Amino acid sequence: AQKVTQAQTEISVVEKEDVTLDCVYETRDTTYYLFWYKQPPSGELVFLIRRNSFDEQNEISGRYSWNFQKSTSSFNFTITASQVVDSAVYFCALKMDSSYKLIFGSGTRLLVRP
Amino acid sequence: EAQVTQNPRYLITVTGKKLTVTCSQNMNHEYMSWYRQDPGLGLRQIYYSMNVEVTDKGDVPEGYKVSRKEKRNFPLILESPSPNQTSLYFCASSGSGTPRNYGYTFGSGTRLTVV
Repeated sequence: AQKVTQAQTEISVVEKEDVTLDCVYETRDTTYYLFWYKQPPSGELVFLIRRNSFDEQNEISGRYSWNFQKSTSSFNFTITASQVVDSAVYFCALKMDSSYKLIFGSGTRLLVRP
Repeated sequence: EAQVTQNPRYLITVTGKKLTVTCSQNMNHEYMSWYRQDPGLGLRQIYYSMNVEVTDKGDVPEGYKVSRKEKRNFPLILESPSPNQTSLYFCASSGSGTPRNYGYTFGSGTRLTVV
């Protein structure tokens, strides 16, 4: 069965701290895609990154970085020097090559305190 | 601008009163889908459509209907809403293509309250 687990329900940090959001996935497919979305208090879903299963390179975009490890089925997201504007709910999602459906984790609520 | 437009953004209704949430995309995408978001459960797929006149159930289809008469529109219909359908709803679309081009565009969400 395909599944995405975000074990951290809520995380609270002080501004400028680094924070890592965990994502563990399950799939038997060899080709799949992993996503991260941000949901700010306004409610919309903001696309952050898509990673293909055949590309294990980690990625950095400004203060954001992603660590994809197939050996542990994890796709963790790190925010460096967090800011109050990073406060949001973050979702990890999985898509198999054989389907258009996105399978979402339950989300992690991040609160960055000034 | 490429976008998925959902309406309304907010809706409060009473149990049993039929309602429709509209979804329209301007990207000529074949695939469209509806999700509902509930606390602690993430987003779950309600229905999806691979193209005009082709629709199928997702993980939580009970109490919902959809139609896909035109490629750009994919309305979500609640024939007899109940309080357990109070949720945040998202429409999404995606085009076919090579795997690296897979991308999803989400609407802004519809917050539905059924009293």
